[in-house]
Amino acid sequence: IAGITQAPTSQILAAGRRMTLRCTQDMRHNAMYWYRQDLGLGLRLIHYSNTAGTTGKGEVPDGYSVSRANTDDFPLTLASAVPSQTSVYFCASSESFSGANVLTFGAGSRLTVL
Amino acid sequence: KQEVTQIPAALSVPEGENLVLNCSFTDSAIYNLQWFRQDPGKGLTSLLPIQSSQREQTSGRLNASLDKSSGRSTLYIAASQPGDSATYLCAVGTGRRALTFGSGTRLQVQP
Repeated sequence: IAGITQAPTSQILAAGRRMTLRCTQDMRHNAMYWYRQDLGLGLRLIHYSNTAGTTGKGEVPDGYSVSRANTDDFPLTLASAVPSQTSVYFCASSESFSGANVLTFGAGSRLTVL
Repeated sequence: KQEVTQIPAALSVPEGENLVLNCSFTDSAIYNLQWFRQDPGKGLTSLLPIQSSQREQTSGRLNASLDKSSGRSTLYIAASQPGDSATYLCAVGTGRRALTFGSGTRLQVQP
């Protein structure tokens, strides 16, 4: 079934540790996104990529980095995790980077930083 | 900066009732507006994307309307069922930017 796969589904992490959340899509979409979802704040964009080889900062990029070496994969890395990064992280993709496109979402990765 | 507001934050209704969820946005120069459903612990499922040139979209018991000039959208659910219980999020696409999301309305339909 075509879609987005995220891993891990859930992780507990000690503060200061490095963590990479993985995201893979098989729809050959050009654009990919990372959002975090926090209670009462909705989804906020962390980073995005409008095509392989390019990335951009979203609304809340500090403490996170991304890479887009190929079309399918878009990992999100926390270099040194802090408790405020406890959240549910969603990866999404769309055919192109435009407000006109429908987004497809992964099932999410729940991260707890202690 | 686009801001999206959803009212109410939570709603509980008895089964069979018709209901309306509201979404408002501050920048009317949008490309589209999308309604998503999110079940607890799950990802988001796109329900009814509305392009800026459209006024409404219908799918089964769901009807989404868009009034760009007033910066408003509504999601109408007819004859609600317990299976409709979920969080409904509204998101707006503005120019060459990623979607901006509201904080959602948590709906509970009581059997």
